[in-house]
Amino acid sequence: AQKVTQAQTEISVVEKEDVTLDCVYETRDTTYYLFWYKQPPSGELVFLIRRNSFDEQNEISGRYSWNFQKSTSSFNFTITASQVVDSAVYFCALRESSASKIIFGSGTRLSIRP
Amino acid sequence: DTAVSQTPKYLVTQMGNDKSIKCEQNLGHDTMYWYKQDSKKFLKIMFSYNNKELIINETVPNRFSPKSPDKAHLNLHINSLELGDSAVYFCASSQVATGTSNEQYFGPGTRLTVT
Repeated sequence: AQKVTQAQTEISVVEKEDVTLDCVYETRDTTYYLFWYKQPPSGELVFLIRRNSFDEQNEISGRYSWNFQKSTSSFNFTITASQVVDSAVYFCALRESSASKIIFGSGTRLSIRP
Repeated sequence: DTAVSQTPKYLVTQMGNDKSIKCEQNLGHDTMYWYKQDSKKFLKIMFSYNNKELIINETVPNRFSPKSPDKAHLNLHINSLELGDSAVYFCASSQVATGTSNEQYFGPGTRLTVT
């Protein structure tokens, strides 16, 4: 069965601090896809990144970086030099290759204080 | 241009009523979805259609009925609304049902409040 765990329910940091959001997943498939989505206070869900199970290269996009480690079944998300606009709920998600259903974690609410 | 749009954005109604939420995507995607997000922000898939064919039907009360007139539209009709139906409903679409190009793009959500 597939499962996504985001153990951090809420995180609060001061602006400009670095922050890492943890994501641990479970799947029996050898091919799968991992995602991160952002849900700002306005409510929409914004796609941030997809990572394939056969590509363990880390990804960097501006202040955002993602660390995928199959050995620990983790796909962590780091925001460097956080800004108030980064305040949102962040969801990690998993889809097995043969499935169209995406399973979401319970989300981590990130608050960036000025 | 809005990629995935939903109407209405807010819906307030009384118990027992029937209501519909509409969704349209202009991305040319084959697959569309309905999700429910509860008050604790938990997101759960309800239905999925691929080229107008139902492919995912989670354990959802049969008061909920999706309808896909064409692959760009997926509507959600809810009969006999109950208090527990209050939530935010998100429509989403993806290029294909399976395979690599399957990140889902979400609509803005419809906040349903049943009183």
